[in-house]
Amino acid sequence: DQQVKQNSPSLSVQEGRISILNCDYTNSMFDYFLWYKKYPAEGPTFLISISSIKDKNEDGRFTVFLNKSAKHLSLHIVPSQPGDSAVYFCAASSTGSARQLTFGSGTQLTVLP
Amino acid sequence: DAGVIQSPRHEVTEMGQEVTLRCKPISGHNSLFWYRQTMMRGLELLIYFNNNVPIDDSGMPEDRFSAKMPNASFSTLKIQPSEPRDSAVYFCASSFVGTTPETQYFGPGTRLLVL
Repeated sequence: DQQVKQNSPSLSVQEGRISILNCDYTNSMFDYFLWYKKYPAEGPTFLISISSIKDKNEDGRFTVFLNKSAKHLSLHIVPSQPGDSAVYFCAASSTGSARQLTFGSGTQLTVLP
Repeated sequence: DAGVIQSPRHEVTEMGQEVTLRCKPISGHNSLFWYRQTMMRGLELLIYFNNNVPIDDSGMPEDRFSAKMPNASFSTLKIQPSEPRDSAVYFCASSFVGTTPETQYFGPGTRLLVL
């Protein structure tokens, strides 16, 4: 049972445009959400997070939006750069088991120059 | 800081052999996590330690897998005997409990191939 789903395995975007990566979750106990970025042959690196008490968190070119009623979050990258090409993982945790992250399957983002 | 260090980076072994993966967490971190990434199951948590004590090993697939953390700067994940279905990338991550939000930092992974 996939509690965190990333339904788009891949996404291609032109340099300078907006990239939107989506993530859905089913567990209503999740109250903390993270995005990780992964380059080939490297481990995932933390990108941005959001608590369930917020609906938006921004860090430079990266913004995460949370829609709790829809159990949906998205990562916006504006403007997209070729160096952003990587696999992006959505992850979630709940206060009761804050140590455990449940990951989505990832979305391969390709930013075309 | 050098980040989380894992060794070996690549391991090829034959079915039935013992495999030991090693991890050195970031200095000062007090939690350590072992993950496995496969095409079928994605990235899944196997076990995590807090202050060198195993807290939750419910993700360990079966008794062939064992993990230890003898001190704050070293952990091992052992597979004995190994099977082809164990082929995957194994990641180690560490974090510091008490920060909000708590962020896990991942190592580069060990790519394991069991023939």
